[in-house]
Amino acid sequence: GQQLNQSPQSMFIQEGEDVSMNCTSSSIFNTWLWYKQDPGEGPVLLIALYKAGELTSNGRLTAQFGITRKDSFLNISASIPSDVGIYFCAGLNNAGNMLTFGGGTRLMVKP
Amino acid sequence: DGGITQSPKYLFRKEGQNVTLSCEQNLNHDAMYWYRQDPGQGLRLIYYSQIVNDFQKGDIAEGYSVSREKKESFPLTVTSAQKNPTAFYLCASRDRISYEQYFGPGTRLTVT
Repeated sequence: GQQLNQSPQSMFIQEGEDVSMNCTSSSIFNTWLWYKQDPGEGPVLLIALYKAGELTSNGRLTAQFGITRKDSFLNISASIPSDVGIYFCAGLNNAGNMLTFGGGTRLMVKP
Repeated sequence: DGGITQSPKYLFRKEGQNVTLSCEQNLNHDAMYWYRQDPGQGLRLIYYSQIVNDFQKGDIAEGYSVSREKKESFPLTVTSAQKNPTAFYLCASRDRISYEQYFGPGTRLTVT
């Protein structure tokens, strides 16, 4: 099945730094979702984006739905140690019944 | 307190045995999903069900089977035909209005 290209694959940053990651696709999606997964747990939904160009924030997290509908970006400001985990993007198909996931960005934060 | 439960958290089986993973939700969601996650990888869809008594194969359905007899429950059976069953298995259900999927805590299956 189709995969989304998510980058970077991993990041090792200093506490307090800002973080950016993105997802690109060859296909158009009508909805983009961003999840965070802690080790050994299920992914938790962070932000959902429904319209091209939409910019949505959730605390220190900001995500954007690309204007072409083929990409999305997630930014984390002023990172803290509990931001550590794997961040996944996911695109929802037109029928609304299937998600396509990116490969994940592993974030490590040095205190 | 609504949510998705998966049990058990860890499961160990001998090669050649079938094993069934449980997934229950009390969110009143119609659609439910099973994904497989391998170390350092994303999620791959095994099966999904949009309504009771109906289910569809995902990208990697070979060696797996499911049933959907009740809205709340979507068990996954990993059969002996699955060549590489050791993995982390995640169940999800979908909100009918927003189409957002919500995940359970996962079951880690180890087959030796």
